[in-house]
Amino acid sequence: GEDVEQSLFLSVREGDSSVINCTYTDSSSTYLYWYKQEPGAGLQLLTYIFSNMDMKQDQRLTVLLNKKDKHLSLRIADTQTGDSAIYFCAAPHEMNYGGATNKLIFGTGTLLAVQP
Amino acid sequence: DGGITQSPKYLFRKEGQNVTLSCEQNLNHDAMYWYRQDPGQGLRLIYYSQIVNDFQKGDIAEGYSVSREKKESFPLTVTSAQKNPTAFYLCASGGQTDTQYFGPGTRLTVL
Repeated sequence: GEDVEQSLFLSVREGDSSVINCTYTDSSSTYLYWYKQEPGAGLQLLTYIFSNMDMKQDQRLTVLLNKKDKHLSLRIADTQTGDSAIYFCAAPHEMNYGGATNKLIFGTGTLLAVQP
Repeated sequence: DGGITQSPKYLFRKEGQNVTLSCEQNLNHDAMYWYRQDPGQGLRLIYYSQIVNDFQKGDIAEGYSVSREKKESFPLTVTSAQKNPTAFYLCASGGQTDTQYFGPGTRLTVL
């Protein structure tokens, strides 16, 4: 089945760029997602990329997709202390193909700590 | 103002008691989901429902029950059979695509 993996922790200084990485196993994935979770809160949909794209940019966020290596990354430019959170990568479950379900498989999350 | 609401935000339970967590959405989504999150861990799927009056077990359904009598509502009951219920519970909903939108969560603590 689908497996999604992320590194657990990333520390950056305010103003630097942050790059959070994710790998997934199922090559049939359509959309791939990034969610942000602030302390004590639910998950906020940050951005997503369709599998026929290599890159998507949205203000300070850049998503890069390498389909050959099944690697997804989220780059945050000019990282601010407000960006400190857990970031989750998510991919559709293999059972979604053919419309059987709409489940997502989440990575364990990457804790981003921004130092002032 | 569309969105997903969960209540209560904090819930305390004595051992042996059943408790019900509320999840409501006004996004007109067919699918709804319940996840459990433990400290430092990712999300684990408890139950999901793709349509009214139908629901499926997720990866950790033991000790939990759900109902889906209305499109807008998907309550989760944590029963006394759940051996370690202290956790953060997240509800989500989704439409035609795989995209899921999350509520603010309920933190359950067993005393």
